[in-house]
Amino acid sequence: AQSVTQLDSHVSVSEGTPVLLRCNYSSSYSPSLFWYVQHPNKGLQLLLKYTSAATLVKGINGFEAEFKKSETSFHLTKPSAHMSDAAEYFCVVSESGAGSYQLTFGKGTKLSVIP
Amino acid sequence: DVKVTQSSRYLVKRTGEKVFLECVQDMDHENMFWYRQDPGLGLRLIYFSYDVKMKEKGDIPEGYSVSREKKERFSLILESASTNQTSMYLCASSLFRLANTGELFFGEGSRLTVL
Repeated sequence: AQSVTQLDSHVSVSEGTPVLLRCNYSSSYSPSLFWYVQHPNKGLQLLLKYTSAATLVKGINGFEAEFKKSETSFHLTKPSAHMSDAAEYFCVVSESGAGSYQLTFGKGTKLSVIP
Repeated sequence: DVKVTQSSRYLVKRTGEKVFLECVQDMDHENMFWYRQDPGLGLRLIYFSYDVKMKEKGDIPEGYSVSREKKERFSLILESASTNQTSMYLCASSLFRLANTGELFFGEGSRLTVL
């Protein structure tokens, strides 16, 4: 069975400072991992994905994430927060070859950006 | 751009009423999904469909049914709405099996309140 844990339900940063959103996963197979973003009153949008290629993955809007198998982590980072980054972020896992139609979502981390 | 349209953004219904939530996608995607989103719980899969007239139960199908008569349209039905079904409902579609790409395209959601 697969699962994902987002370690912080809420993160607050000042504009221009780094962002770190933490995610740990559990998977019986080789996982694919994703980050989605949801802006207020909007649907979710794919931010970036890891599917067993390069362990450092770059996404949209300057975000990136590093897959660390030894730590079972897939933390999301950005060097400098912008006001438009304020949103909820979801870490997601999918197991290759098992339940291929299903993704397991974390409970979300709400990012606040202080001017 | 892929567009997933949920016809009703906000609904208020009475306990026991039958509720239809409609979702249409315009990119000829094979797979469509209904999720429920609740604060602190993330997204939970209700039902999904990988082809016309085909449906599969997700993690929380109880109290819900679905219909997919045309490829572009996927309906979620609450036969007898209850207060514990008050939630945000998100429709999504995908072209490929999720383990490969993980990319779901989401609608903006339907916020249902059951009184």
